Amino acid sequence: EVQLVESGGGLVQPGGSLRLSCVVSGFNFDSHSMNWVRQAPGKGLEWISYFSRNDISRYYAASVRGRCTISRDNAKNTLYLEIHSLRPEDTAVYYCARDYLGIGVPATLDYWGLGTPVTVSS
Amino acid sequence: QSVLTQPPSVSGTPGQRVTISCSGGSSNIGSNTLNWYRQVPGTAPKLVIYNNNQRHSGVPDRFSASKSGTSASLAIRGLQSEDEAEYYCASWDDGPKEYVFGTGTKVTVL
Repeated sequence: EVQLVESGGGLVQPGGSLRLSCVVSGFNFDSHSMNWVRQAPGKGLEWISYFSRNDISRYYAASVRGRCTISRDNAKNTLYLEIHSLRPEDTAVYYCARDYLGIGVPATLDYWGLGTPVTVSS
Repeated sequence: QSVLTQPPSVSGTPGQRVTISCSGGSSNIGSNTLNWYRQVPGTAPKLVIYNNNQRHSGVPDRFSASKSGTSASLAIRGLQSEDEAEYYCASWDDGPKEYVFGTGTKVTVL
């Protein structure tokens, strides 16, 4: 069974940093590209980052570019997202999602975790 | 503000057919595959349709989708109460090099 479990969310002060983790199981992690998607309270889905399976490409949404770093540890079946200079508008549930096609850019997010909530507030 | 536009809501009675439109541009829908996701409030999104018109594993054949030019649509026939959810279209956008989600459409079963 494919499973993705996010962790690392919580309450952070503006200007702070967080490192989110996503531990996966039930599939060959190193064979799949991965994504982070977030959803602010009462809002729609917002894709924020992608890491290709072969480590050739990483992409970031403009809203987080320069403040965010996506990484992965294939030995630990874990995807990470570091976010710096956090702002109140970064408050959201953060989901990791597997990419099915692996074509070098985000294409089909076929399995998602349950998400980890991040609140940026003083 | 998303570059993929969807109607805020659609509704129908049980058994009816409803459609959700998704309008984009040449750099996203016009040149990349289109996917549809559904999300019940308080839960994680789930893939419904990928590669424009392919149903994801476990999705009933009541769901169908199509794409033409810079627009796409998702149809649900034989509407059931469990189809109530928010539906999002999504595609890679070659311009900003971002994966963009649509504005979302709430499907209500009357």
